[in-house]
Amino acid sequence: EPEVTQTPSHQVTQMGQEVILRCVPISNHLYFYWYRQILGQKVEFLVSFYNNEISEKSEIFDDQFSVERPDGSNFTLKIRSTKLEDSAMYFCASRDPTYNEQFFGPGTRLTVL
Amino acid sequence: AQKVTQAQTEISVVEKEDVTLDCVYETRDTTYYLFWYKQPPSGELVFLIRRNSFDEQNEISGRYSWNFQKSTSSFNFTITASQVVDSAVYFCALSEASDYKLSFGAGTTVTVRA
Repeated sequence: EPEVTQTPSHQVTQMGQEVILRCVPISNHLYFYWYRQILGQKVEFLVSFYNNEISEKSEIFDDQFSVERPDGSNFTLKIRSTKLEDSAMYFCASRDPTYNEQFFGPGTRLTVL
Repeated sequence: AQKVTQAQTEISVVEKEDVTLDCVYETRDTTYYLFWYKQPPSGELVFLIRRNSFDEQNEISGRYSWNFQKSTSSFNFTITASQVVDSAVYFCALSEASDYKLSFGAGTTVTVRA
């Protein structure tokens, strides 16, 4: 069964460093999303992406964040200069346009020291 | 604006008891989708069920069932004969047809004791 994959599973970085989180969505899906979950809190929408551009972004998704689909398969989230409060689990999802169901990857746990 | 409320923070039951999780939502859209996700201790989000706003039929899928009532904007979820492996955080989520992004509730932690 096709699935969304994410790498790395855990990333530790120093404050101020840039990180790139990678996702491979399900191949025939066209809509992609990033969500964030700070430890013990709810899952929050960050950004949606369709047709090589951002469809919508939340107020969390400020200028420090960017997304890209550099090739036909990867979907990346870049944080330019990480802050302590960026420590969270980051989930990638891709949406099946027929059933409007979002399939989530296993998440990347980002720890900013 | 979307909003999903899960009033129950934690529920603890003994194995084989039924567990009902409450979810109340707000939306101005007429077409929307409701979901339940499970997040076990390992951290991944596991899709459980989806319901469309235009289909209020309630169903049972194995040990899972749900009660969708548009009149009260509620989408409750029941686990029948709970098992220890059901211990997890359960999230209710809403997406509108206008953008499909998911808005999650705060989650309910379910602990099933042997």
